Amino acid sequence: AQSVTQPDIHITVSEGASLELRCNYSYGATPYLFWYVQSPGQGLQLLLKYFSGDTLVQGIKGFEAEFKRSQSSFNLRKPSVHWSDAAEYFCAVGHLSGGSYIPTFGRGTSLIVHP
Amino acid sequence: DTEVTQTPKHLVMGMTNKKSLKCEQHMGHRAMYWYKQKAKKPPELMFVYSYEKLSINESVPSRFSPECPNSSLLNLHLHALQPEDSALYLCASSLLGRGEQFFGPGTRLTVL
Repeated sequence: AQSVTQPDIHITVSEGASLELRCNYSYGATPYLFWYVQSPGQGLQLLLKYFSGDTLVQGIKGFEAEFKRSQSSFNLRKPSVHWSDAAEYFCAVGHLSGGSYIPTFGRGTSLIVHP
Repeated sequence: DTEVTQTPKHLVMGMTNKKSLKCEQHMGHRAMYWYKQKAKKPPELMFVYSYEKLSINESVPSRFSPECPNSSLLNLHLHALQPEDSALYLCASSLLGRGEQFFGPGTRLTVL
């Protein structure tokens, strides 16, 4: 069965500093990987996804992620964090079931941004 | 139109009440989903509809009853809920065969 590990429950960074959120997955085939962001009391918004091709993927809001098959990782990065990036971040791996890709989410990483 | 809407935003109900949550999208997505999310936890899948037919039920108690009247609308009917059912209920949609889901803002449900 597929699984996703986000080892950091909380990450605290200063505004303007760089950010890396870690994600490791377990999946038997080529994974379909996602990063979602959730602001307090809101739904999830897709930041970026990887299915095939270039292993460095660009997303919205200046985020990028790199797929490393040898490490089973899909870490999210941003070169300079803004206070508005404070939110919960979920990594997910999708598996195909009944024509839909069903995400298995990690537990989430809460990003705290200090001014 | 690239959004998923959910109504109501907040709902408070007693354990004997019957209420419904509504979700709507006009992106032509033929897969729609219901999730339950407790505080500080990831979303948990409840139901999946493909082409308006229920394709996945993640062993959800029968006090939750989903309905997909047409390709744009998804309902979740609630009856005889328990206080532990209090959570954020999220709806999502996607193109079939595509992984990325579009989420609505959720309905915050409180069961007294």
